[in-house]
Amino acid sequence: AQKITQTQPGMFVQEKEAVTLDCTYDTSDPSYGLFWYKQPSSGEMIFLIYQGSYDQQNATEGRYSLNFQKARKSANLVISASQLGDSAMYFCAMREGPSGGYNKLIFGAGTRLAVHP
Amino acid sequence: GAVVSQHPSRVICKSGTSVKIECRSLDFQATTMFWYRQFPKQSLMLMATSNEGSKATYEQGVEKDKFLINHASLTLSTLTVTSAHPEDSSFYICSARGGGPGSYNEQFFGPGTRLTVL
Repeated sequence: AQKITQTQPGMFVQEKEAVTLDCTYDTSDPSYGLFWYKQPSSGEMIFLIYQGSYDQQNATEGRYSLNFQKARKSANLVISASQLGDSAMYFCAMREGPSGGYNKLIFGAGTRLAVHP
Repeated sequence: GAVVSQHPSRVICKSGTSVKIECRSLDFQATTMFWYRQFPKQSLMLMATSNEGSKATYEQGVEKDKFLINHASLTLSTLTVTSAHPEDSSFYICSARGGGPGSYNEQFFGPGTRLTVL
């Protein structure tokens, strides 16, 4: 069964520093996708970054980068130069591969990040 | 990115009434829409997947007669919580996906609807 694990219920970081949010996954599908979303207190889900299982390079989007270690089945999110507005809940998610019809997103439990001034 | 709207953003109703939540894709055709439920301080749990013009596929443990999903057009899906009870109080979020070859990697979320059942 496919599973996403986020072991850090809460993290804090000083403004302007970098922070890594952990995510590990488990799947038997060779083709899958990994996502990170940010959910501020307003509740909206904001897409941050995507990594495909066959992508050779780690994904980057501005201050966000995904440290993809396929053999270890980890897809950690790195936020550089943290800002106060980065304080939010962060979810790691995985899209099912061929066995699931490429449909569902399975979410981890989330990590609440607090950025301190 | 594409825009998905939800209406209403917040609803309070009495126990026993039915509530309809709309999810619209504003600038693209959504062949597949998803409905999630999120309890406070918890993760998103997929309730059902709906494809335009066909019956929704419900996740295990989700009562299809309780949570009626209609995906009548490529831009609109509705979730109706029938005979709502206080335990149905939750944050309901929809997402939508287009139908192109790259669409599997794109799922656009609505802003969510907070349902409170008194």
